[in-house]
Amino acid sequence: TQLLEQSPQFLSIQEGENLTVYCNSSSVFSSLQWYRQEPGEGPVLLVTVVTGGEVKKLKRLTFQFGDARKDSSLHITAAQPGDTGLYLCAGRNSGNTPLVFGKGTRLSVIA
Amino acid sequence: GAVVSQHPSWVICKSGTSVKIECRSLDFQATTMFWYRQFPKQSLMLMATSNEGSKATYEQGVEKDKFLINHASLTLSTLTVTSAHPEDSSFYICSARDARTGGNQPQHFGDGTRLSIL
Repeated sequence: TQLLEQSPQFLSIQEGENLTVYCNSSSVFSSLQWYRQEPGEGPVLLVTVVTGGEVKKLKRLTFQFGDARKDSSLHITAAQPGDTGLYLCAGRNSGNTPLVFGKGTRLSVIA
Repeated sequence: GAVVSQHPSWVICKSGTSVKIECRSLDFQATTMFWYRQFPKQSLMLMATSNEGSKATYEQGVEKDKFLINHASLTLSTLTVTSAHPEDSSFYICSARDARTGGNQPQHFGDGTRLSIL
């Protein structure tokens, strides 16, 4: 079973601060996805990374896939209260296998 | 964009009742659907993988006779929790994969069903 370790599990920061969430594994993934989930709702896809070393930006969010495709990071610049939520990384080791999720990082941005 | 619809969004029922949850892909064909369960403040745990027209594959520790999955068409999968008990109370989320795209096909998620067994 592939395991995805996410850190930190909880993060509470002030508005305007920067933060980084990490997703690590000993396994190689063919692709890795980041989701954000609000309470009582399903996860919403933020980004998919497939190439080692790939960097993708989504407004104030920067996603990076490790060179060996075993880890990823999510960096948020100038966090806002609207960024509050559960951030989940999920990986897949081949095209037809289901996504395996990390435990998530619960982010709280205080105004 | 792709949409996955899950119904109902909230169910409260008595212990011993069987509950059916529907998952539909609205604008794409889903050869594969996945069912996840999420307990409070925890991540999503895969329960089973459902392929259209064939039996579902269950993850270790998930009782196939307890959680009946049917995937009779390319747009509909159902999860039936049989003789539900309070410990089955959880947030159930389905996910579907578009059969038209190749390679690393994205999984689209429904909004989940909150099941509460009294």
